[in-house]
Amino acid sequence: QKEVEQNSGPLSVPEGAIASLNCTYSDRVSQSFFWYRQYSGKSPELIMSIYSNGDKEDGRFTAQLNKASQYVSLLIRDSQPSDSATYLCAVNVKGAQKLVFGQGTRLTINP
Amino acid sequence: DGGITQSPKYLFRKEGQNVTLSCEQNLNHDAMYWYRQDPGQGLRLIYYSQIVNDFQKGDIAEGYSVSREKKESFPLTVTSAQKNPTAFYLCASSFGNIQYFGAGTRLSVL
Repeated sequence: QKEVEQNSGPLSVPEGAIASLNCTYSDRVSQSFFWYRQYSGKSPELIMSIYSNGDKEDGRFTAQLNKASQYVSLLIRDSQPSDSATYLCAVNVKGAQKLVFGQGTRLTINP
Repeated sequence: DGGITQSPKYLFRKEGQNVTLSCEQNLNHDAMYWYRQDPGQGLRLIYYSQIVNDFQKGDIAEGYSVSREKKESFPLTVTSAQKNPTAFYLCASSFGNIQYFGAGTRLSVL
């Protein structure tokens, strides 16, 4: 089992709808969780971080964490064509200052 | 401007050649990282350094080497032992667990 798993997609969502991206992780002691957005040919940029169970909202983005079930998700409300990108889930490794990344989910927002 | 600068943006390697990718940061971050990304894949950790003059192997260190002589700089050498070096190489630095990335270097083999 991979340490961090994401559905590679592509995930296609109509403009204005809610896009839902999911990520599961295997290390129960992980404490920090991140979502990065990566446009084609560019480097990843951080869009959300979450550390405790529940929801965290920032503008159109909501991160959800459930440590008991070992999953973290990202919701994008009112999806825009500019949201079309690959979204990478990252989880910290306890005891070491490093992250493990999932393979990413490619999201396409259709006008 | 504060940030992470990677150079060059594109690099070509001849067979049997060692090449060095530069990464410089002026964010005063202690930790720095090198990742490799293949098409359609996530990021795989090559090496990381939490402090000057110290570094650790990541998941795919074979065929690569690094140094960390200054806090601001963490160069990566792709040696001739790395038989499949074509990839997108990303450098990052971190404040706590939050990592910030440079623009990347695309390495191809001639």
